[in-house]
Amino acid sequence: AQTVTQSQPEMSVQEAETVTLSCTYDTSESDYYLFWYKQPPSRQMILVIRQEAYKQQNATENRFSVNFQKAAKSFSLKISDSQLGDAAMYFCAFPMNRDDKIIFGKGTRLHILP
Amino acid sequence: GAGVSQSPSNKVTEKGKDVELRCDPISGHTALYWYRQSLGQGLEFLIYFQGNSAPDKSGLPSDRFSAERTGESVSTLTIQRTQQEDSAVYLCASSPEALSGNTIYFGEGSWLTVV
Repeated sequence: AQTVTQSQPEMSVQEAETVTLSCTYDTSESDYYLFWYKQPPSRQMILVIRQEAYKQQNATENRFSVNFQKAAKSFSLKISDSQLGDAAMYFCAFPMNRDDKIIFGKGTRLHILP
Repeated sequence: GAGVSQSPSNKVTEKGKDVELRCDPISGHTALYWYRQSLGQGLEFLIYFQGNSAPDKSGLPSDRFSAERTGESVSTLTIQRTQQEDSAVYLCASSPEALSGNTIYFGEGSWLTVV
């Protein structure tokens, strides 16, 4: 069965510091996409970043970047220069099959300490 | 519309009553998803509609739950004989086509409280 695992229920980071959120997954597919979504207290889910598995280069979006290790089935999110507005639940997400429903990890709640 | 619209945003209902939750996806989006999120928890997949294909209902927790979608537009999630454990936020999302890397866009959710 395909699964997504986030092993850190909560994390805290000092403002302006860097934090890495972990995600591992399991699949038999060779070509797929991976996503990180953010859910602030407003409840609105927002796409943070996505990675295409066939691309060697790690995706980057401003202060957000991923460390994608396909062989290890690991997809971590790095947030640089953390800001108070980054406080949220972060979900790693992954489609069950190429054209199928997307499943989410249980999430990591990130606290930003001023 | 500009985004995924869900209604009602909040609903309080008595145990045993039926409820209907509505989702208006982004115009032109063929894929539509329903998820359930209990307080402080992750997203639990419920059902997935993709174009004219038969919906994937594998996540529906019991036969009290059902969902319909009219063509490629509005979807309604119905919960019959509600129970207290049904209290959660119900999130709807849509995407342009079968996932294949397309971003899915979420509504703000319908918060259901069963008393």
